Amino acid sequence: EAQVTQNPRYLITVTGKKLTVTCSQNMNHEYMSWYRQDPGLGLRQIYYSMNVEVTDKGDVPEGYKVSRKEKRNFPLILESPSPNQTSLYFCASSSTFGGEQYFGPGTRLTVT
Amino acid sequence: GDSVTQMEGPVTLSEEAFLTINCTYTATGYPSLFWYVQYPGEGLQLLLKATKADDKGSNKGFEATYRKETTSFHLEKGSVQVSDSAVYFCALSDRSGGGSYIPTFGRGTSLIVHP
Repeated sequence: EAQVTQNPRYLITVTGKKLTVTCSQNMNHEYMSWYRQDPGLGLRQIYYSMNVEVTDKGDVPEGYKVSRKEKRNFPLILESPSPNQTSLYFCASSSTFGGEQYFGPGTRLTVT
Repeated sequence: GDSVTQMEGPVTLSEEAFLTINCTYTATGYPSLFWYVQYPGEGLQLLLKATKADDKGSNKGFEATYRKETTSFHLEKGSVQVSDSAVYFCALSDRSGGGSYIPTFGRGTSLIVHP
């Protein structure tokens, strides 16, 4: 089954404790993105990748890091999480530039 | 930069009512337009899309037409069901390939359908 998976689905952590949210897709897509969803703000892109070892900032990259060492994986790293990073995070992938995106199920992160 | 504006919700309807969710956009190029749907506790999934002016996307009884002259992509359904209750996102994506890959989403419109 074609899908995007994310782990964990739920995470509660404390300020400053480094964490990684994994994302994997099995569709051989070149394009991958991370978004955060906040009430009243819709989806905002954090980082994106157009291929292995090619990543770039989206609209709200501050406080986040990503890497793309393999085509299928695109982890999101929060080196020193803060409470304002409490949000619902989605990973997405796409086969074409500007094409439809396939979303993961989401990771709800709470930073206390 | 590019932007998407969609009507604020929630939109509350009775079953079998007609649905319209307005979406307008601004874009420098010729984007593809999308409607995504998010059911409670799930990720977004593509509902329909259109890639050029006057294209009509349709799926599951929903329709939207790419109107370049009014820069709009309104979502419609003739008869909604309780199972259509969800959040709907209008989105655009530049297809030029020469710039950054930053798809733009509206803020989402919550639809609540009562029996």
